[in-house]
Amino acid sequence: GAVVSQHPSRVICKSGTSVKIECRSLDFQATTMFWYRQFPKQSLMLMATSNEGSKATYEQGVEKDKFLINHASLTLSTLTVTSAHPEDSSFYICSARGPSYEQYFGPGTRLTVT
Amino acid sequence: QKEVEQNSGPLSVPEGAIASLNCTYSDRGSQSFFWYRQYSGKSPELIMSIYSNGDKEDGRFTAQLNKASQYVSLLIRDSQPSDSATYLCAVKRAGGSYIPTFGRGTSLIVHP
Repeated sequence: GAVVSQHPSRVICKSGTSVKIECRSLDFQATTMFWYRQFPKQSLMLMATSNEGSKATYEQGVEKDKFLINHASLTLSTLTVTSAHPEDSSFYICSARGPSYEQYFGPGTRLTVT
Repeated sequence: QKEVEQNSGPLSVPEGAIASLNCTYSDRGSQSFFWYRQYSGKSPELIMSIYSNGDKEDGRFTAQLNKASQYVSLLIRDSQPSDSATYLCAVKRAGGSYIPTFGRGTSLIVHP
């Protein structure tokens, strides 16, 4: 199957700082990528859809100025959590859309804001 | 009514048994159906996809789709403790949206 990588896998930052998470499709071109957030023992929550070369589409309730998404190439999308606060601590997962609408998930990034 | 519903479980089965996981969906025009497995602390992994009515087998896994009844199921034969995970059902609705909707997942525990 297709491989999607994420970097970093784990990050700890101080409150008020910004954190950038990278998502790469390694062996295929992904015109569409998705960003999810998952709190412990809860289901996946779609945050936004990232389309190469255009603005991301955010789900209701997700602040686009806080969660900046850039999909600059067919293999790279980035999520920047700006002015992070402890309540932003979560497991952030990206996925890339396959040709039959299946999704290939990255390994996730565990963010802890102190 | 939620768009994609799954029993949260946990579903507990003994090793070697068949585990049956079910998922119902509300949009009758849905076209694509997926099962993902998520181990604790890890991201989801695609197990199977199914697009037409009937059964689709892949190793120990069988996906079953019944569009008339609006359900999709996943059977795991000869269940192993390593199958213990949360299983997510995802459904792509008809129409222009290409974003699948995920269920909340069913926790499966396979005990020795």
